[in-house]
Amino acid sequence: GQQLNQSPQSMFIQEGEDVSMNCTSSSIFNTWLWYKQDPGEGPVLLIALYKAGELTSNGRLTAQFGITRKDSFLNISASIPSDVGIYFCAGQVGNTGKLIFGQGTTLQVKP
Amino acid sequence: DAGVIQSPRHEVTEMGQEVTLRCKPISGHNSLFWYRQTMMRGLELLIYFNNNVPIDDSGMPEDRFSAKMPNASFSTLKIQPSEPRDSAVYFCASSPRLAEPDTQYFGPGTRLTVL
Repeated sequence: GQQLNQSPQSMFIQEGEDVSMNCTSSSIFNTWLWYKQDPGEGPVLLIALYKAGELTSNGRLTAQFGITRKDSFLNISASIPSDVGIYFCAGQVGNTGKLIFGQGTTLQVKP
Repeated sequence: DAGVIQSPRHEVTEMGQEVTLRCKPISGHNSLFWYRQTMMRGLELLIYFNNNVPIDDSGMPEDRFSAKMPNASFSTLKIQPSEPRDSAVYFCASSPRLAEPDTQYFGPGTRLTVL
């Protein structure tokens, strides 16, 4: 079945540093999404990408939809302690409501 | 505005018992999704409904799992009999329309522990 490979698995960084994480797939996706999950909560959507090559920002977050439609990355600039959490990429299967999720990147930020 | 509501938030049960997880989607949302999250397998889609009709249940692990949506404001995920490997966090999500994943909102989850 379709799988997303997300890396890195975890990151421990200093406050103020920039962060980059990415997802790759053997399959093409029409939509890429990035979520953040806080402890004890469900995932919350950060950014959605709809076109190959698209670069979208949301505050300190920037994400890109790869040209091949098989990859995406998320950057967080000037990290702050509240950025701590697990970040997931997800790809939409065709035009269905079905999402395939990456394994997640756990981010820890040291004040 | 109320988000997706799930109950219970935590459930501890013994192997062999029946477990029922409940979900109330956001009012006006026509699509509902059940996910399972574990350390080993990550976040997996189990089943989803559109207008109360199951569309794709290919993610349901085995016959012990069943899901229903009797009306637009309520869905259940049942495990009978439960096994220790079913221990996970189960999320319900809803969206106004099916093929718009950017409008999919997740509930807080039910943490299930099967002893």
